[in-house]
Amino acid sequence: NAGVMQNPRHLVRRRGQEARLRCSPVKGHSHVYWYRQLPEEGLKFMVYLQKENIIDESGMPKERFSAEFPKEGPSILRIQQVVRGDSAAYFCASSPGQRPNEKLFFGSGTQLSVL
Amino acid sequence: GQQLNQSPQSMFIQEGEDVSMNCTSSSIFNTWLWYKQDPGEGPVLLIALYKAGELTSNGRLTAQFGITRKDSFLNISASIPSDVGIYFCAGQPPGGGYGGATNKLIFGTGTLLAVQP
Repeated sequence: NAGVMQNPRHLVRRRGQEARLRCSPVKGHSHVYWYRQLPEEGLKFMVYLQKENIIDESGMPKERFSAEFPKEGPSILRIQQVVRGDSAAYFCASSPGQRPNEKLFFGSGTQLSVL
Repeated sequence: GQQLNQSPQSMFIQEGEDVSMNCTSSSIFNTWLWYKQDPGEGPVLLIALYKAGELTSNGRLTAQFGITRKDSFLNISASIPSDVGIYFCAGQPPGGGYGGATNKLIFGTGTLLAVQP
């Protein structure tokens, strides 16, 4: 999983604030995925993006959550008006090409805690 | 939605013992993957399986893609302390997208492995 950089590693927010999670994929990777992990559970798919396009956002809540992967810069997962239930580890993964799950590299995650 | 049932939930073993864990589903998958996650880190891919019946090894790890495409197992032989961690199975369901499969993975609930030296 070397190369996928996520920041911050830990993020504390109060209810109602906004959380912005950043992910820089492995250099040269143009496919980015976001997953969420609740304590003692497996990862749950949220959204799949390619450069400047959202390909599949079927796992992302329709309200308060948004994601982007601009032409330049990192992918951003944005959570508006956070609630306690948003507390989780958020993992970003990237892949180089069209068989994404063959070589899916995960970052170390951002642990979001909502007070 | 599709779910993966992973068992056992946890295992506490002595160094040198063999370990076996498995995942089952009521639905078929195109690909089965096994990951290991250390505390505070993201999952790291251990083994990927692409065909029903496929048996693949990676060092002391062996995994198989069930013939029905609804299950997979992972074996670890001669466990060592650094095998400690949480092991996840993940499946790639059939559907749209590239190669007839979707681009999202369904993860199991994990098996916590503790190895006593």
